[in-house]
Amino acid sequence: AQSVTQLDSQVPVFEEAPVELRCNYSSSVSVYLFWYVQYPNQGLQLLLKYLSGSTLVKGINGFEAEFNKSQTSFHLRKPSVHISDTAEYFCAVSGTTNFGNEKLTFGTGTRLTIIP
Amino acid sequence: DAGITQSPRHKVTETGTPVTLRCHQTENHRYMYWYRQDPEHGLRLIHYSYGVKDTDKGEVSDGYSVSRSKTEDFLLTLESATSSQTSVYFCAIPSGSRGYTFGSGTRLTVV
Repeated sequence: AQSVTQLDSQVPVFEEAPVELRCNYSSSVSVYLFWYVQYPNQGLQLLLKYLSGSTLVKGINGFEAEFNKSQTSFHLRKPSVHISDTAEYFCAVSGTTNFGNEKLTFGTGTRLTIIP
Repeated sequence: DAGITQSPRHKVTETGTPVTLRCHQTENHRYMYWYRQDPEHGLRLIHYSYGVKDTDKGEVSDGYSVSRSKTEDFLLTLESATSSQTSVYFCAIPSGSRGYTFGSGTRLTVV
């Protein structure tokens, strides 16, 4: 079984400042890692994912995340945020076996608020 | 989202009444999932299906049942709705690049 911890429930950031949203996971097996974004009153959209290879993963809208196996972390970063980045961000983990049979386990989410 | 739709989008119901939420996919995918989203818990898996008539429980299945009589439809039923089931419900299917594609959600309020 896996679990995900997002310690920061809310993160306020000034526009054009950098941001880091923290995610730590726990698992006894190899994992795939994901970040999803949810804009107000919408569903979840995949931001980026780590499956294998380079530990630095780039996603949509200028976001990137780094997989750190020794620290069991997958923090999300953006060097300069915009008002449009205001949303809730979810980190998620799954095992790496049968495709479709690996259920996603989500963190509790981080609400990112951009201050003009 | 393309390929997966949920209905209704919003529902208000009274305590003790049965409620059925529908998820419809056009991707012909074997797996389908139901999650609920709550502020203090994030998203939690309710039930999932791995084929027609094949379903299994998730983390928070008490008070919920599901059915899948066709590949494209996955129904979530609250047999007797309670206020603790007020939530936003999301259906999901696996995406081609790992991870899920989610529906737009159903906001359910039990009064």
